[in-house]
Amino acid sequence: EVQLLESGGGLVQPGGSLRLSCAASGFTFSGSAMSWVRQAPGKGLEWVSTISYGGASTYYADSVKGRFTISRDNSKNTLYLQMNSLRAEDTAVYYCTSGGSGYYPNWGQGTLVTVSS
Amino acid sequence: QSALTQPPSASGSPGQSVTISCTGTSSDVGAYNYVSWYQQHPGKAPKLMIYEVTKRPSGVPDRFSGSKSGNTASLTVSGLQAEDDADYYCSSYAGSNNLGVFGGGTKLTVL
Repeated sequence: EVQLLESGGGLVQPGGSLRLSCAASGFTFSGSAMSWVRQAPGKGLEWVSTISYGGASTYYADSVKGRFTISRDNSKNTLYLQMNSLRAEDTAVYYCTSGGSGYYPNWGQGTLVTVSS
Repeated sequence: QSALTQPPSASGSPGQSVTISCTGTSSDVGAYNYVSWYQQHPGKAPKLMIYEVTKRPSGVPDRFSGSKSGNTASLTVSGLQAEDDADYYCSSYAGSNNLGVFGGGTKLTVL
């Protein structure tokens, strides 16, 4: 059974930083592109970032480019999202997903990030 | 990175069919056969229902079907059931510099 378990969310002040983690199991993590998708309270889904299976290629939405960094450790089956210079509009549930390019077959349960003073 | 356009709401009675549209551009929906649909119940993570326009993952009922014409993709739910009451989102590949774009979501109500 595929499992994606996010952690690291919480309350952070504007301008602060946070690192999200996603522990994967039940599939060949090192063979799969991985992504982060977020959902602001009461809003729709927004693609945030994707990383290739080996980690060599990374892609970002314009809204987070230059502030967020996606990375992975295939030896630990773990995906990361380093979020810097956080803004109120980054407040959302962040989902870890397998896949990319509009195709996200598996989703974690999400972790809530709240940016507020 | 503009979002795909979906109607905010749709509805139907049990047993009926309903179709939800997803309109993009010639740079995303119209350019690639990589349109997916996701179902989301309140407080839950989204679930993949359709991928590559028409394909259903294992375990998804065949009441759910997808299609595409030009820049518009569609999700049809036939034989509506109470558990189909949920939000539905479309997504499309949009080229190598914008790997994913979502629609704004459609709230499907089973009357």
